[in-house]
Amino acid sequence: DTEVTQTPKHLVMGMTNKKSLKCEQHMGHRAMYWYKQKAKKPPELMFVYSYEKLSINESVPSRFSPECPNSSLLNLHLHALQPEDSALYLCASSPVGLHYEQYFGPGTRLTVT
Amino acid sequence: GDSVTQMEGPVTLSEEAFLTINCTYTATGYPSLFWYVQYPGEGLQLLLKATKADDKGSNKGFEATYRKETTSFHLEKGSVQVSDSAVYFCALNRDDKIIFGKGTRLHILP
Repeated sequence: DTEVTQTPKHLVMGMTNKKSLKCEQHMGHRAMYWYKQKAKKPPELMFVYSYEKLSINESVPSRFSPECPNSSLLNLHLHALQPEDSALYLCASSPVGLHYEQYFGPGTRLTVT
Repeated sequence: GDSVTQMEGPVTLSEEAFLTINCTYTATGYPSLFWYVQYPGEGLQLLLKATKADDKGSNKGFEATYRKETTSFHLEKGSVQVSDSAVYFCALNRDDKIIFGKGTRLHILP
């Protein structure tokens, strides 16, 4: 199984809402990632978890809060977002170490109204 | 810092044409190099990779060779199909991060 799943596929939320994005993989990967992708741009790294611990935060605003409850799951909690946060949010996973590729999920299309 | 530069798109070709998408990189050390493809409305899929100099990655008729002397990893395919229409990202890894190029949009006309 080389699949990374993400739910929901689409999400529309108001600026005062609280919502969560979920990501799951069963490949035994111990590194997991959140990316944000705007239209016609490459993905931008937001967070990296390694062995369930946050190892990289790319200066992401605190209205985005990641969580890694176990080695298979990754969440992204959203609160008080702005319209400019509307984007495709991608989750990825990989083995820990050099030279490994990342496996991406299909993404959650987020619209903030 | 490390970076990836790839040719600007969009690239428009007729079916069965030969494809080249240029990619060059700047990096210290010996990163692995990747080509990812993103079809409309989907996430990224790994197309091929190479982990050391002179390695050739290949998949689905696509090929790319890790050229350290020219710091390049150009993507080629001998005969493209309409189904190859997508955005292609050249990338390298650096520690826990993947550094992407800006992407090249490819349109194949029937």
